Amino acid sequence: KQEVTQIPAALSVPEGENLVLNCSFTDSAIYNLQWFRQDPGKGLTSLLLIQSSQREQTSGRLNASLDKSSGRSTLYIAASQPGDSATYLCAVDLTGANNLFFGTGTRLTVIP
Amino acid sequence: DTAVSQTPKYLVTQMGNDKSIKCEQNLGHDTMYWYKQDSKKFLKIMFSYNNKELIINETVPNRFSPKSPDKAHLNLHINSLELGDSAVYFCASSHGQGGAKNIQYFGAGTRLSVL
Repeated sequence: KQEVTQIPAALSVPEGENLVLNCSFTDSAIYNLQWFRQDPGKGLTSLLLIQSSQREQTSGRLNASLDKSSGRSTLYIAASQPGDSATYLCAVDLTGANNLFFGTGTRLTVIP
Repeated sequence: DTAVSQTPKYLVTQMGNDKSIKCEQNLGHDTMYWYKQDSKKFLKIMFSYNNKELIINETVPNRFSPKSPDKAHLNLHINSLELGDSAVYFCASSHGQGGAKNIQYFGAGTRLSVL
């Protein structure tokens, strides 16, 4: 059974810092991995999707990497801003059927 | 215009009641989903429908029954509500399966409280 873990559970950083969020998964035979953000009281917003054949994806200040063999992904956020404060979730899809297994999330607070 | 909309946003009800949550998407997507987020914020898929056909049905009590009248709507009906059903329920949609089409768009959630 696929298990997805995110460390740390919570993180506070001063504005402007670069930071890394970690995601690990137990079954390396994944179809893709996705990163989402969730703002309080709201739904999830997709940030990045990495196919199993890819090593990384970038969008603006965000960069996600994928190492299937070690069962790990990282989300790098450059020059953090208070607006980045949210919970970040990673999710893996094993088969392409979009049956996502979610991690427990990392709650990020960026202090002005 | 809200892409994926759920109603109601909040739902407070007594144990044993039957309730429905509605979901509509105006993105032209073929696939819709229902997720449950528990009190520990853990998010788990319940169902997915593709063109009104059930694709994913995780281990969910049969008190939960999804209904898809057309591909833009996926409603969730819950019979005989229990305390453990209290959670936030999210609806989502995507174009379909494969590649970037897997990106899912989420509604704002429905917070269900069973008293």
